[in-house]
This record gives sequence, C-alpha cells and structure tokens, in this order.
Amino acid sequence: DVKVTQSSRYLVKRTGEKVFLECVQDMDHENMFWYRQDPGLGLRLIYFSYDVKMKEKGDIPEGYSVSREKKERFSLILESASTNQTSMYLCASTLKVGTFSEQYFGPGTRLTVT
Amino acid sequence: GQNIDQPTEMTATEGAIVQINCTYQTSGFNGLFWYQQHAGEAPTFLSYNVLDGLEEKGRFSSFLSRSKGYSYLLLKELQMKDSASYLCAVLDSNYQLIWGAGTKLIIKP
Repeated sequence: DVKVTQSSRYLVKRTGEKVFLECVQDMDHENMFWYRQDPGLGLRLIYFSYDVKMKEKGDIPEGYSVSREKKERFSLILESASTNQTSMYLCASTLKVGTFSEQYFGPGTRLTVT
Repeated sequence: GQNIDQPTEMTATEGAIVQINCTYQTSGFNGLFWYQQHAGEAPTFLSYNVLDGLEEKGRFSSFLSRSKGYSYLLLKELQMKDSASYLCAVLDSNYQLIWGAGTKLIIKP
C-alpha cells in the first residue's frame, strides 16, 4: 500500500526558530513536492525535486529551503520561522512527471508560528 | 496568468445529485485531476481526464471540455461521508499541477 508519512501532525514554533519538516515515501517515487495550503488559496507549490540532490523552486520558495539526500526523504526547512508561515504543509510524491501520474499526499503538518 | 475557478462552497441533500464545476485558463493542458479532501486530512485522488467526455467511476463521474476550459465532477446518491472539499487541478504545459482553491461540499440529511 502506498504510503507518504510526515514527521509531525501538529507543530508550534516561535518566531525566528529554525524548523524542519520531514517527509518519507515508501513507493520508490522519483518526484517529491512540498505544498502549503491556506484557506481560500488552494495548494501552493513551495519546492519540488525530481531526483536525489536535485531541487526546483515552486511558486512561493521565499523563506524556505529543501534537502533531498536520499530518494525516499524530502525535507522542508524554514530558516527563520515567521508568523506568516503559519499554515498546513503537505508533502506529496509521484512516480514520474510527464504522463498521468497521480500525486500521493502525506497527512500534513499543521504549523503554528507564534 | 494561470487561473482555476471553482465555487467556494455548495450544499446538497443526502441521496441527491450534485455537480461541482471547474473552469481553467492555463499555459497548455496535459490533463485535469479531481481530488477529495476531508477536513484535516490529505487530498486523495478521484479522477483524471485528458480527453473530452465523461469518465464514470461508481457514484462519481468527471467531465471535460477542453475547448471550453471546463470540467465538472458529478456525485450521485450523496452520502454524509461525501462531505469534504473537492479540489480541481490542471497539469500545464510544463507538467506542473495548478490547483484550484477547492469547493467545500456540505451534505445535509
């Protein structure tokens, strides 16, 4: 059974803290994605990765960085958390881009920055 | 710019039929997805359309008209568990998914 897991369901951090969100998939997928989801805005792509050690900016990369050292793991890093980064963060993976390939999502991390 | 429009919220009655519309303007088109998302949970895949016409899958059907930039998701014999948000997403010419804001469907007994 396909599975994408995220390190935390809920996280509370203080302004200025460095925050790590981890995502692991067990499907041997090449592509992994980080989104944030805010009410009324839909899913917005932060970063994605097509392969180990490769990363591409999405629509809203400012204030974030990523790391993909192993195929199954994709980490999102908030270098210095700010209150406007309070959001639901969703990780997804897909076998390959370019043809029909649904994205599988993790359960999400609801991050609150105070 | 790229844009996907869906109604923000819809209400329907248990046992009835509801149609959720999605219109899109994107840079190219490589398919349209519908996802279901229950409150506090991850989105899950419902359907994919790349050619014009209707795709039926049990109680759910999805329709696409590429010339009109239009799709709808049709839910029949509504059940309380269908209360969720329904997300429309288009795969653009760069094979990036462009997401709509989602339609919150409320089912009343």
